[in-house]
Amino acid sequence: GENVEQHPSTLSVQEGDSAVIKCTYSDSASNYFPWYKQELGKRPQLIIDIRSNVGEKKDQRIAVTLNKTAKHFSLHITETQPEDSAVYFCAAPLSTGRRALTFGSGTRLQVQP
Amino acid sequence: DTEVTQTPKHLVMGMTNKKSLKCEQHMGHRAMYWYKQKAKKPPELMFVYSYEKLSINESVPSRFSPECPNSSLLNLHLHALQPEDSALYLCASSQDTPGGLYEQYFGPGTRLTVT
Repeated sequence: GENVEQHPSTLSVQEGDSAVIKCTYSDSASNYFPWYKQELGKRPQLIIDIRSNVGEKKDQRIAVTLNKTAKHFSLHITETQPEDSAVYFCAAPLSTGRRALTFGSGTRLQVQP
Repeated sequence: DTEVTQTPKHLVMGMTNKKSLKCEQHMGHRAMYWYKQKAKKPPELMFVYSYEKLSINESVPSRFSPECPNSSLLNLHLHALQPEDSALYLCASSQDTPGGLYEQYFGPGTRLTVT
């Protein structure tokens, strides 16, 4: 099955700075990589996802990059704001052909005003 | 309607009790999921239903019994739980087509405490 590793576990940045969170995966056949944001006491919410046929995807201040050769993908948040403070999880298919996700261990992002 | 709902929000039960968690979606999704999330940990997959049939059981103990009565509803029946089963139980749904994985919409969760 797929193994997803996520770094760093905690990240503190100043408001306006950029934040980068990186995940690596093990199964070269994996083809879908979502990122979820979970605020304290709330449900996980998808913020961006990428499929293996593209290398980068952007949505306003958020971008995801995918390097299939190195088997890693990264979340980039620019011009961070205090409301970006949350736990971020990356995910990948549980295993080839199985319609389920396995999640990285999470990154707690703290944006200091 | 892009919402997954779950009831109850909170549940406290004893180790000899029987209770059920409920999940509902009206997005026409044919894949539904149960996850367990402990504090400061990622969601951990328990079960997946595809077109009302159980397709994945991640070696979950039999004291957890899932049920999918129809395409909109998902239940999780609980019996003889242990204190270590205390967690946030999340339901999710997504499209289920041959094209692959799609966005999973999560419900708000049921916070379960086993005493």
